[in-house]
Formats: sequence, C-alpha cells, structure tokens
Amino acid sequence: QKEVEQNSGPLSVPEGAIASLNCTYSDRGSQSFFWYRQYSGKSPELIMSIYSNGDKEDGRFTAQLNKASQYVSLLIRDSQPSDSATYLCAVNQGGKLIFGQGTELSVKP
Amino acid sequence: SAVISQKPSRDICQRGTSLTIQCQVDSQVTMMFWYRQQPGQSLTLIATANQGSEATYESGFVIDKFPISRPNLTFSTLTVSNMSPEDSSIYLCSVRTGANNSPLHFGNGTRLTVT
Repeated sequence: QKEVEQNSGPLSVPEGAIASLNCTYSDRGSQSFFWYRQYSGKSPELIMSIYSNGDKEDGRFTAQLNKASQYVSLLIRDSQPSDSATYLCAVNQGGKLIFGQGTELSVKP
Repeated sequence: SAVISQKPSRDICQRGTSLTIQCQVDSQVTMMFWYRQQPGQSLTLIATANQGSEATYESGFVIDKFPISRPNLTFSTLTVSNMSPEDSSIYLCSVRTGANNSPLHFGNGTRLTVT
C-alpha cells in the first residue's frame, strides 16, 4: 500500500473554475503536510503548508486537512492557464517528506 | 528561503561510469536530503545526508551505489556509481532550514541520462 496517494489525473478545468486536488496518507502519526507545484522540467516549488485540522487560505489557494480521515486537499480558485502543472502532496513522516505520485492539472483557456 | 545550487544541471554518461552531483547552499541548513525522480514519476527519497557521519539510506538504496558526503552544513555530494540506463533520472538535492516539521526546498536538479 502506498503511503501517500493522489489521483494521477490529468485533471482538466476551464479557466476561472475551481480545481480540487486530493491526497490521502496512511501514517496516522503525520503532523505536517505540504503541497508542491512542479512545472514540466522544473523542480518542485512549495505552495502551501498545513499543520492543523481545518482550512488554510493563501491567495487563490486553500489547503484543507482532516487528520481523522487522513485526508489533505488543495483548492485553487479562479484557475489560470499558468496553474497548469503537476501538484505534489507531501507528508512529513519522522522528519522525512514522502511524496504522492502527483496530480497533473490542465487549465484550459 | 535558502538558495540551493546544484551542479551539473544535466549530463549524459556512459554505462559503467560514475557521476558526482554537488549541492551547495548559501546558508547553514539543518537537514539535507537527496531525491530521485524517474521519468513520469514522483519523488523518491534516496537518503538523508548527515553532517559529519554516514548518510541514512532508504529501503532499496545502498551506499555502494549512491555514496553521499556532507562535510559541512552547507554542502553535500551524491555519486551515482557504475551507472546503467535504469539510473537515468532527475536527482534533486533538498534542504530544510527550520524545525523538523518544516517543509523542504529543492535545488534545480540534475538531469542524468545514461547511454
């Protein structure tokens, strides 16, 4: 069983819509969670960190965490073509980051 | 966040040879990690580079194949030894500048092709 799971996509949304990306993890002891964006040919870039249950908003991005359900999500409001990338969910397990396989997002103009 | 310089940015190597990748950070960092990203795949942790001691390797990775050095708090190297085409990947250096629950930041990666 994979430790961090994401839908691989591709997820296609029209410009201006809300993109919803989901992630589940297996280690109940995990306490910190991250979303990274990776453009093709580039290295991952941190976009959100979340540590406690509930929502955390930063501009057009909202991260949601539910530790009881072992579930993390990322919402991107008013999606733009420039948001087209692969989004990686990462879970801190004992100080090491374990990554999901990533969800490819395509925002169509 | 820290500025992470990784080199080479890319290389094409012949099977059976070795390549050493360097990672330099512009400030002292608490932790350094090496990841591999195979084509179309996500990131897999190779090892934690420990300052002044042997690296801690993840399951499936061994020191003879991926020797790692970390002589100080700002520098680390990863060597890919006796390469085969299966080693063709992007290798990424990452650092943690804060507490143990803080995120990692990545260098630009080394794109390795083994022929």
